Amino acid sequence: DAMVIQNPRYQVTQFGKPVTLSCSQTLNHNVMYWYQQKSSQAPKLLFHYYDKDFNNEADTPDNFQSRRPNTSFCFLDIRSPGLGDAAMYLCATSRGAGGPYEQYFGPGTRLTVT
Amino acid sequence: QKEVEQNSGPLSVPEGAIASLNCTYSDRGSQSFFWYRQYSGKSPELIMSIYSNGDKEDGRFTAQLNKASQYVSLLIRDSQPSDSATYLCAVETNFGNEKLTFGTGTRLTIIP
Repeated sequence: DAMVIQNPRYQVTQFGKPVTLSCSQTLNHNVMYWYQQKSSQAPKLLFHYYDKDFNNEADTPDNFQSRRPNTSFCFLDIRSPGLGDAAMYLCATSRGAGGPYEQYFGPGTRLTVT
Repeated sequence: QKEVEQNSGPLSVPEGAIASLNCTYSDRGSQSFFWYRQYSGKSPELIMSIYSNGDKEDGRFTAQLNKASQYVSLLIRDSQPSDSATYLCAVETNFGNEKLTFGTGTRLTIIP
């Protein structure tokens, strides 16, 4: 089945220790997104790639970086995690190319910062 | 001002009844509207999309869109305990833009 896969599902890191989260997709979608979601809040878009074009949200901290080495994979790097970065990180994909704009989410990575 | 607004709930509905979830949005140019279901600790799951005014039915779910009133709703008929979740409304807020804006969600509890 076509799907969005995230690894790891749970990640524990120490304050200030860099961490990388990964996302892969078999949907062959053009657009890949990274969201941060905290308890009882809406998913917050951090950035997205339309093919290789990187689009950063204005309020995404510099501490967050992303890479998309090919169509299938996308990575989220948190350079120096703080306690406030503990959250669920969601990867999503959409077809792009004029729509429809349904986004399909992976299962998420729960990040804990100690 | 929030761009997509939902009542946070919790909304409690007896099993077998109709659950009605509402969402308003601020951008008149929005063309695409989505409902996601999110169980506690899980990721959002797309359950309905709607693009035209009127009703769209899929099994026990009906999405309703009124662009003039900037209002979209989700009806769940014959509610089941497994429908207990948070329902997120998402709107494509700039025509031709691949980004969605999410509401904060309505927490729905189905009472057996």
